[in-house]
Amino acid sequence: SQQGEEDPQALSIQEGENATMNCSYKTSINNLQWYRQNSGRGLVHLILIRSNEREKHSGRLRVTLDTSKKSSSLLITASRAADTASYFCATDGKTSGSRLTFGEGTQLTVNP
Amino acid sequence: DGGITQSPKYLFRKEGQNVTLSCEQNLNHDAMYWYRQDPGQGLRLIYYSQIVNDFQKGDIAEGYSVSREKKESFPLTVTSAQKNPTAFYLCASHRTGWDQPQHFGDGTRLSIL
Repeated sequence: SQQGEEDPQALSIQEGENATMNCSYKTSINNLQWYRQNSGRGLVHLILIRSNEREKHSGRLRVTLDTSKKSSSLLITASRAADTASYFCATDGKTSGSRLTFGEGTQLTVNP
Repeated sequence: DGGITQSPKYLFRKEGQNVTLSCEQNLNHDAMYWYRQDPGQGLRLIYYSQIVNDFQKGDIAEGYSVSREKKESFPLTVTSAQKNPTAFYLCASHRTGWDQPQHFGDGTRLSIL
C-alpha cells in the first residue's frame, strides 16, 4: 500500500487565502519531500524536511513534520491562481534507500 | 540548461507491440527512475537504476523492461505482456545521496490503439 496518503484529496480556495494539505505515512523515514505537479507535466520538487526537523520554510511554503504521529503538513500562504496544481508528499523508508513512495496527491484549485 | 528530456510526448501502442520510451538527462546524475501515473493517482515505481549497467525492479515491474548502458540514458520498454499500459510515464533522476530531490521529465502519455 502507499506509504503516504494526502488529505484532502481536493481543495478549492480563493486567491489570497491559505491552503493546508496533510500527509500521513506508515513506516519510519529519513526524510519527507513535497512535490508539485501542473496538469500534464512532470513533478517539481518544493521542499525536503529531514526526520530530525520539525518545521521548514521556503518563501510562501511552510512544512511541518511530526514523526510521533507520522504526519506532515504543507501550508501555502497568500495563495495565487498560479498555485493551482496537484501536490504530493513522498517518503523514503529507512530500509528503502533513496527510493521514494508517493501519496495520491491533493488537487489544489485557487480561484481568482 | 540541464534537465531531463522524455520522448515522445504522446505514444500509441497496438496490440502485441512493444514500445520504447526515451529518457535522457544531462544533469550528470547517477540515479534514474521510471514511474507510472494513472489518472488521479500518485506515482508508482516501475524500475530504478543507481549506477550504469545496474537496475532494480520497483513495485510494478511486470510487463516492463529497462537498460542502463549509459549514465545519461534510461529507456523503458513497455512489452506486450503489460496488458494495461495506458498511463502517464514519468522519468526522474537525482544526485547520489538519500536526501537528494528528484528531478522529473515532462512525461510520456501512452495509449492503446
